[in-house]
Amino acid sequence: DTGVSQNPRHKITKRGQNVTFRCDPISEHNRLYWYRQTLGQGPEFLTYFQNEAQLEKSRLLSDRFSAERPKGSFSTLEIQRTEQGDSAMYLCASSLEVGVGNTEAFFGQGTRLTVV
Amino acid sequence: GQNIDQPTEMTATEGAIVQINCTYQTSGFNGLFWYQQHAGEAPTFLSYNVLDGLEEKGRFSSFLSRSKGYSYLLLKELQMKDSASYLCAVRDQGTYKYIFGTGTRLKVLA
Repeated sequence: DTGVSQNPRHKITKRGQNVTFRCDPISEHNRLYWYRQTLGQGPEFLTYFQNEAQLEKSRLLSDRFSAERPKGSFSTLEIQRTEQGDSAMYLCASSLEVGVGNTEAFFGQGTRLTVV
Repeated sequence: GQNIDQPTEMTATEGAIVQINCTYQTSGFNGLFWYQQHAGEAPTFLSYNVLDGLEEKGRFSSFLSRSKGYSYLLLKELQMKDSASYLCAVRDQGTYKYIFGTGTRLKVLA
């Protein structure tokens, strides 16, 4: 297992277009998170899944954003009608939650989105 | 509400010791994590505290005081490769999601 994988690494799109990103978590991990990060800021929580169930979606996330994890494995994040303010690094992370204890999240390399 | 504060930037000299502080106010607490992030790369896990006290891992140590909502990351024998952003994150009790601070950008000078 090579860790959390995200595709594409970079995406440039025109304003108004739809984009979709993919995340493949570490295979046995049941938790999957999406974060957004802009320059000089920490990762901002977007949403997370426990297996295939989406348990929480940030109130900061508009209706243009949707995420799925259909079989509890890979996940996709779609942004519809992109805006320039959507330009950011989109990070995916996964973790194995088996109750209490140290369960750090492992991050992928991210997808850098530029909306022009 | 949830609020995590860290200094924006710090500068230190190679071979020195630096302490990066983090204060937090969260509605629930289930552990505090420190991550390192080099420019353009993914955050990588450094340390975890859930009980009060000091956790040591080689050149890196992390301290937690839950009653004060305070943690610090201590880096010893600084190396040039330690130049990076250091992210403090609190894991929310119940949801287990990670809430990050804005990060502290550390510059290590020769």
